[in-house]
Amino acid sequence: NAGVTQTPKFQVLKTGQSMTLQCAQDMNHNSMYWYRQDPGMGLRLIYYSASEGTTDKGEVPNGYNVSRLNKREFSLRLESAAPSQTSVYFCASRDFLTNEQYFGPGTRLTVT
Amino acid sequence: SQQGEEDPQALSIQEGENATMNCSYKTSINNLQWYRQNSGRGLVHLILIRSNEREKHSGRLRVTLDTSKKSSSLLITASRAADTASYFCATAMNSGGYQKVTFGTGTKLQVIP
Repeated sequence: NAGVTQTPKFQVLKTGQSMTLQCAQDMNHNSMYWYRQDPGMGLRLIYYSASEGTTDKGEVPNGYNVSRLNKREFSLRLESAAPSQTSVYFCASRDFLTNEQYFGPGTRLTVT
Repeated sequence: SQQGEEDPQALSIQEGENATMNCSYKTSINNLQWYRQNSGRGLVHLILIRSNEREKHSGRLRVTLDTSKKSSSLLITASRAADTASYFCATAMNSGGYQKVTFGTGTKLQVIP
């Protein structure tokens, strides 16, 4: 039982490049989330998926797209990276019964 | 906008002392959660208190919730060096099948051995 896994752990992109951050959970949770964490800002919600086949915008969705590929996987795509997207990205899933969110280890992204 | 605001932003105490962190929020909530984040790691859920509860305990953690003041506190008793981490409150509101969770900016706790 690995919980929530994220790949890659680190990534450096040049402005304008694209990439996809992968997230998978093995806890059979319906809800999954993508957050970004910047110094002094706490976590801000980018997108969420309440269940397989549905996705919705969070607080800061501009510049990102997501795909809920199946119940396990929820990916985040940056189509044209910008320096403002330099951040640490966390994926999470939620246990419907306890409301507890389980977080992945994060992806540290730098855009130059 | 951030729903939860923690205070203080940073706290440094000696091992064995108690640490208290506060969280204030702005709108009605269904529950409030506290998370811990060790440096360079993901967040770990500590405790959840529902809007109809006033106090909850888990080991050395004690959480209180005052919905009239829209505030919560997290008390860590008999602190240990391993408690050094950032602590975040998160307010949750249910909307249909979706739970909207909003995180505060965190309190950075340092416990000095």
